[in-house]
Amino acid sequence: GAVVSQHPSWVICKSGTSVKIECRSLDFQATTMFWYRQFPKQSLMLMATSNEGSKATYEQGVEKDKFLINHASLTLSTLTVTSAHPEDSSFYICSAGGLAGRSSYNEQFFGPGTRLTVL
Amino acid sequence: AQTVTQSQPEMSVQEAETVTLSCTYDTSESDYYLFWYKQPPSRQMILVIRQEAYKQQNATENRFSVNFQKAAKSFSLKISDSQLGDAAMYFCAYRVRSNYQLIWGAGTKLIIKP
Repeated sequence: GAVVSQHPSWVICKSGTSVKIECRSLDFQATTMFWYRQFPKQSLMLMATSNEGSKATYEQGVEKDKFLINHASLTLSTLTVTSAHPEDSSFYICSAGGLAGRSSYNEQFFGPGTRLTVL
Repeated sequence: AQTVTQSQPEMSVQEAETVTLSCTYDTSESDYYLFWYKQPPSRQMILVIRQEAYKQQNATENRFSVNFQKAAKSFSLKISDSQLGDAAMYFCAYRVRSNYQLIWGAGTKLIIKP
């Protein structure tokens, strides 16, 4: 199967600082990566879709200047929460889809998630 | 607009028994995929089963099977011989073939009683 890693798995930061979360596809190349936010006991909320080498597409209501997404290669996408505030505390999940050269894989593969706590 | 509805916020079942989780969706597309994902307490999303809309045969994966009713836009998940490890949040999801973006249901929390 396809493996996606996220780092860090959890992070605590002070209000006003920036936090970077990395999402890597370990054994495949992904043309598309997705970033989700999940509140407790709720479903996944899509924040943005990123395609390698191009700007991310943000969902309505998601501040692109606050949640910076970079998809520099087919195996790495990063989410940077800039000037984090307590309301940004949440569980962030990345996933990869569109496996390059593997048209038979029609699902997204998920990272284990990152728990962000902003004090 | 494409939507996915899970009308059961929580379900409980006795260990070793069978439980069915409901999912309905709304779309005008004809070529799409449907998925059931499991999210245990670890919060790692795990694919349980997938169904391609053009296939009439219901997908099965060991103890997990679906009842796919395309005309009714219904996609229920049946878990047979429930095990304690099946306890988790279950999410139904949909996507069109041409786009990897998933549309998610609200989820159903499954409780297994020993």
